[in-house]
Amino acid sequence: GAVVSQHPSRVICKSGTSVKIECRSLDFQATTMFWYRQFPKQSLMLMATSNEGSKATYEQGVEKDKFLINHASLTLSTLTVTSAHPEDSSFYICSASVPGTYTEAFFGQGTRLTVV
Amino acid sequence: AQTVTQSQPEMSVQDAETVTLSCTYDTSENNYYLFWYKQPPSRQMILVIRQEAYKQQNATENRFSVNFQKAAKSFSLKISDSQLGDTAMYFCATFNFGNEKLTFGTGTRLTIIP
Repeated sequence: GAVVSQHPSRVICKSGTSVKIECRSLDFQATTMFWYRQFPKQSLMLMATSNEGSKATYEQGVEKDKFLINHASLTLSTLTVTSAHPEDSSFYICSASVPGTYTEAFFGQGTRLTVV
Repeated sequence: AQTVTQSQPEMSVQDAETVTLSCTYDTSENNYYLFWYKQPPSRQMILVIRQEAYKQQNATENRFSVNFQKAAKSFSLKISDSQLGDTAMYFCATFNFGNEKLTFGTGTRLTIIP
């Protein structure tokens, strides 16, 4: 199957700083990628849809100025958590599917963000 | 909007036994996919099985099979001969062709007891 790689797997940052998470499709081009947030023992909540070459589409209640998404190439989407606060601590997961042949979503390994 | 309901937050079974995880969903779409994903302690999401809504035949994948009841909007997962490696969170999900979004249920934590 297709491979989606997410980096870093873990990151600790101080309150007020920004942190960037990368999501790469390694063996296919992804025009669309998705970013999820998962709280402990809970389900995946879709945050936004990342569209190559255009603005991301955010789900209701997600602050677009807090969670900046850039999809500058067909293989890379980034999520930047700006001015991080402890309540932003969570597990973030990206996914992508092979365009035009949807059979499944391929997920990155996830990033555990801890804001101290 | 699509909703997915998993009514069993936790389940546990002895290894080698069979277990069934429940899932119901609600959608206004006529064409959609249904999935079961597994999330082990590593937290990597892994596809277990997929069902196209237009297919009447239930999908099977080795020890994993589904009971898809379209009219009832039910999509249960049966794991036969369960193994310790099956211990994980299991999420049922629907896929909407219109916006290519996955909607996940709340998950069932399955523990296989040796």
